[in-house]
Amino acid sequence: NAGVTQTPKFRVLKTGQSMTLLCAQDMNHEYMYWYRQDPGMGLRLIHYSVGEGTTAKGEVPDGYNVSRLKKQNFLLGLESAAPSQTSVYFCASSSWRGVSYEQYFGPGTRLTVT
Amino acid sequence: AQKITQTQPGMFVQEKEAVTLDCTYDTSDPSYGLFWYKQPSSGEMIFLIYQGSYDQQNATEGRYSLNFQKARKSANLVISASQLGDSAMYFCAMREGDGTGNQFYFGTGTSLTVIP
Repeated sequence: NAGVTQTPKFRVLKTGQSMTLLCAQDMNHEYMYWYRQDPGMGLRLIHYSVGEGTTAKGEVPDGYNVSRLKKQNFLLGLESAAPSQTSVYFCASSSWRGVSYEQYFGPGTRLTVT
Repeated sequence: AQKITQTQPGMFVQEKEAVTLDCTYDTSDPSYGLFWYKQPSSGEMIFLIYQGSYDQQNATEGRYSLNFQKARKSANLVISASQLGDSAMYFCAMREGDGTGNQFYFGTGTSLTVIP
């Protein structure tokens, strides 16, 4: 049981380049999330999705786009990378379980923009 | 205003002792959930414990308990009988609403070091 996986694990981009981060989950969860983690800032929500074909902005959405074409996948795109987007990116998924929405996290993607 | 506030950037505790990690939250929604996650140096996020806003009793999971004081809007994590493996970053998080919006907010974390 893979849980939540993220591809790639590491990436170095030059300013202005684009890339897509892939998140996949095999738990049939309805909800999926993209966070970034910066030193001293905790995790901040970028975008999230409450179901296939739907997405919504989180706390820090600027410079990112997302798509949820299939229930199990949630893509995070950077159209024109900037050094300020250097961060560790976490994907998470959740579903109604009992009375909580416990989030299951992927291992993270470390992105450096030079 | 910060949704989740963790005022202790770093904490130390002696092995086998108990430690309390502080968390306060801010919401006007009557329905919310509070979570604690552990992030060891390897980087993964590990779910520890959950407390719902309507839960009457404090949540417990093994050596972890959540001291929920609703009127004070605090949700402190208590780790009993600390172990060396408890050394990690700890994040408090909140889900607002009944789940339809489903936004989560995280605090800035507390770094816990267990001393042998």
